[in-house]
Amino acid sequence: AQTVTQSQPEMSVQEAETVTLSCTYDTSESDYYLFWYKQPPSRQMILVIRQEAYKQQNATENRFSVNFQKAAKSFSLKISDSQLGDAAMYFCAYRSAAYTGTASKLTFGTGTRLQVTL
Amino acid sequence: DAMVIQNPRYQVTQFGKPVTLSCSQTLNHNVMYWYQQKSSQAPKLLFHYYDKDFNNEADTPDNFQSRRPNTSFCFLDIRSPGLGDAAMYLCATSRDQGRDQHFGDGTRLSIL
Repeated sequence: AQTVTQSQPEMSVQEAETVTLSCTYDTSESDYYLFWYKQPPSRQMILVIRQEAYKQQNATENRFSVNFQKAAKSFSLKISDSQLGDAAMYFCAYRSAAYTGTASKLTFGTGTRLQVTL
Repeated sequence: DAMVIQNPRYQVTQFGKPVTLSCSQTLNHNVMYWYQQKSSQAPKLLFHYYDKDFNNEADTPDNFQSRRPNTSFCFLDIRSPGLGDAAMYLCATSRDQGRDQHFGDGTRLSIL
């Protein structure tokens, strides 16, 4: 079974600074997807960024980028130019790319709560 | 806007009293999921529907059931809620197998 570990329960960053959230995972599969989801307080979980394991290039979405190290099974999220609106719980998640006839589930880490200070 | 809507946002029920949580979607997605998220824990998949096909996770307690009467709606039934079932329940949809999942706001369930 796959596992996802986020070892930083809480992080803090000053507005306009850069912060990196860590995630490691364990799997025996070679083809899979990794995600970072953002969950603001009392609001819905939204997808921040997606990485396909077969792609060597790190995914980037505006101020959000990842450092994907497949051999090390590491998948960190870098937030540049942090904004107050970035304050949220961030979840790292894994999904198999295998098609078994039914949809694949997301396996989540326990989350990192990010605070953004002035 | 197309979206995933969960009702109610907050639900309080009594120990042992059946409760139903609702999820609807305007995305016309084939797949609907229910996740349980306990305090300070990772969301955990309970089950999902692929069209009308129900797929239960192996460790989901029998106390939890689900219904999907049509493409747009999916319900989570807890037959006899215990104190340990207090959690946030998240509904998600995806267009097809292996596609990105879109989440609702969640229903926070409290047990008295």
